[in-house]
Amino acid sequence: SYVLTQPPSVSVAPGKTARITCGGNNIGSKSVHWYQQKPGQAPVLVIYYDSDRPSGIPERFSGSNSGNTATLTISRVEAGDEADYYCQVWDSSSDHVFGTGTKVTVL
Amino acid sequence: QVQLVESGGGVVQPGGSLRLSCAASGFTFSSYGMHWVRQAPGKGLEWVAFIRYDGSNKYYADSVKGRFTISRDNSKNTLYLQMNSLRAEDTAVYYCAKDPEVDGVLDPGVYFDYWGQGTLVTVSS
Repeated sequence: SYVLTQPPSVSVAPGKTARITCGGNNIGSKSVHWYQQKPGQAPVLVIYYDSDRPSGIPERFSGSNSGNTATLTISRVEAGDEADYYCQVWDSSSDHVFGTGTKVTVL
Repeated sequence: QVQLVESGGGVVQPGGSLRLSCAASGFTFSSYGMHWVRQAPGKGLEWVAFIRYDGSNKYYADSVKGRFTISRDNSKNTLYLQMNSLRAEDTAVYYCAKDPEVDGVLDPGVYFDYWGQGTLVTVSS
């Protein structure tokens, strides 16, 4: 089965840049999607197809994908960005797979 | 605006059954595939099932195959998840989620662009 590995936590000061990685075997050949989930709320799509942003998502959110790592980058981090973030791909052997999740803490 | 509202969660004994519903509004329900995704308490997200826009194809995670059935009623703009032979490990918040492809034929869907607020299913004696 296909496994996506994320760091359990990332801490960042307000105004700085947070980078959340999502590791998977040859993930660069797949389309990666990212979700933000705040406590007690449903997930929200923040990046699709590696680097596209849905309407309403700030330009501060960006994504990239190459080799064995996909990355979600949050620029000029704000207190409201504090949340869990999940990457997701579709894989022929595992169907839809989510990453292990990363908790972003704004210091 | 897109709205998805789940209902039907509750407490059920191991081996029991439950049917979840998801009422959709704000988009042409009959044109989009739909998913169920769950999240065990304090854990990550797990995809459960997908149904094509017209109900012609259905896909399931191995963990629920043979026990859960996804269905839809396009005349009522409603998605369902029939859960049988429930186990303690099925305890989770169940979310319905919309697939972004119009009249999509990519199985089992591509990703999840809108989510409901979720309904909690607890399997316990």
